[in-house]
Amino acid sequence: DVKVTQSSRYLVKRTGEKVFLECVQDMDHENMFWYRQDPGLGLRLIYFSYDVKMKEKGDIPEGYSVSREKKERFSLILESASTNQTSMYLCASDPQGYQETQYFGPGTRLLVL
Amino acid sequence: GNSVTQMEGPVTLSEEAFLTINCTYTATGYPSLFWYVQYPGEGLQLLLKATKADDKGSNKGFEATYRKETTSFHLEKGSVQVSDSAVYFCALHPPNTGNQFYFGTGTSLTVIP
Repeated sequence: DVKVTQSSRYLVKRTGEKVFLECVQDMDHENMFWYRQDPGLGLRLIYFSYDVKMKEKGDIPEGYSVSREKKERFSLILESASTNQTSMYLCASDPQGYQETQYFGPGTRLLVL
Repeated sequence: GNSVTQMEGPVTLSEEAFLTINCTYTATGYPSLFWYVQYPGEGLQLLLKATKADDKGSNKGFEATYRKETTSFHLEKGSVQVSDSAVYFCALHPPNTGNQFYFGTGTSLTVIP
């Protein structure tokens, strides 16, 4: 079974803190993604990566950055957390190919105070 | 462009009732289509998929048929159970447009005994 793990299930941070969300997949997938999920808005793509050290902006990249130094690991960074970044963050991965399934981690629920 | 429209929820059904969740899409080319399910507090899991027109995806009693003529991929189940209570997301993955998935906003289903 494909396994996508996220470093924390719940996280509480203060406004202005730097926040790191880590994601690891164990299936040698080329593509990795970060989404945020908010009530009524569904999933919105923040960033994705199709190879090591490569990244592409999604629909809402402002206030976020990412890092992919190894194929299995994709990190989301909030340089200076703000209250409007309180959300559920979902990591996903898939092998390249439009018929392929995207696999999700369990999510990190982030609260910024 | 690429987009997915799902019926709005929430949907509340009695156990053993028939379920339909409507999903229509617009896409470039001939995409693959997916239904994902999210149980409370968890990430998204693949429920079923179809990769070409007239294909039927099925899993756990759920079915959806890829209808190119109506650009639809409606989710159905003949007899729902309490354990089916979750949020359901329709998604598409177009070919030749990079690696991005496009998700609907999700439909919340509650099944009462």
